[in-house]
Amino acid sequence: GESVGLHLPTLSVQEGDNSIINCAYSNSASDYFIWYKQESGKGPQFIIDIRSNMDKRQGQRVTVLLNKTVKHLSLQIAATQPGDSAVYFCAGRSGAGSYQLTFGKGTKLSVIP
Amino acid sequence: DAGITQSPRHKVTETGTPVTLRCHQTENHRYMYWYRQDPGHGLRLIHYSYGVKDTDKGEVSDGYSVSRSKTEDFLLTLESATSSQTSVYFCAISESGDEAFFGQGTRLTVV
Repeated sequence: GESVGLHLPTLSVQEGDNSIINCAYSNSASDYFIWYKQESGKGPQFIIDIRSNMDKRQGQRVTVLLNKTVKHLSLQIAATQPGDSAVYFCAGRSGAGSYQLTFGKGTKLSVIP
Repeated sequence: DAGITQSPRHKVTETGTPVTLRCHQTENHRYMYWYRQDPGHGLRLIHYSYGVKDTDKGEVSDGYSVSRSKTEDFLLTLESATSSQTSVYFCAISESGDEAFFGQGTRLTVV
């Protein structure tokens, strides 16, 4: 696997463009998903979450899409800004009654000014 | 950082010594978690707590123990530190077991 700092999938986006970060999951029983943003030297920061009974949720400049058929999650960032440069993680909970989040490998987003 | 304080922020220790990391919250959240973050492995759950004196193991619990004697404090102990435990450790809290909020992390180096 890959994580912060080394050999992460990287997405480079021009400032002002939209960004799409993807995440695949394997557990069909997962009922809850979260996206986190992590800047260098800091802890992960909550961005947006979605439950499995939804297929879309919008926040401020961000949208999360959930496709349960193909077990795929995406984070869309509108009008990407330099401050959006960070590593983005998806995380899922394995089902009702579970308190554990399993994290994806992370994607590094670089915004080109 | 959602009222979470981790201490120490940085520590260097020798192999074989015990180490305790502390997580303190001011949010009165029920759930507390300890994760480690390593290049190549991402964030992995070590232990978590769902209430005072109620804890359970996560994915990578071997070599670690935890205690939660008060709602606000969750301690992670490495009984005998090894070089493989060199990592960045994050504490997280959650009110409902849904979204978790993370602390700033503790960088631990075992030499």
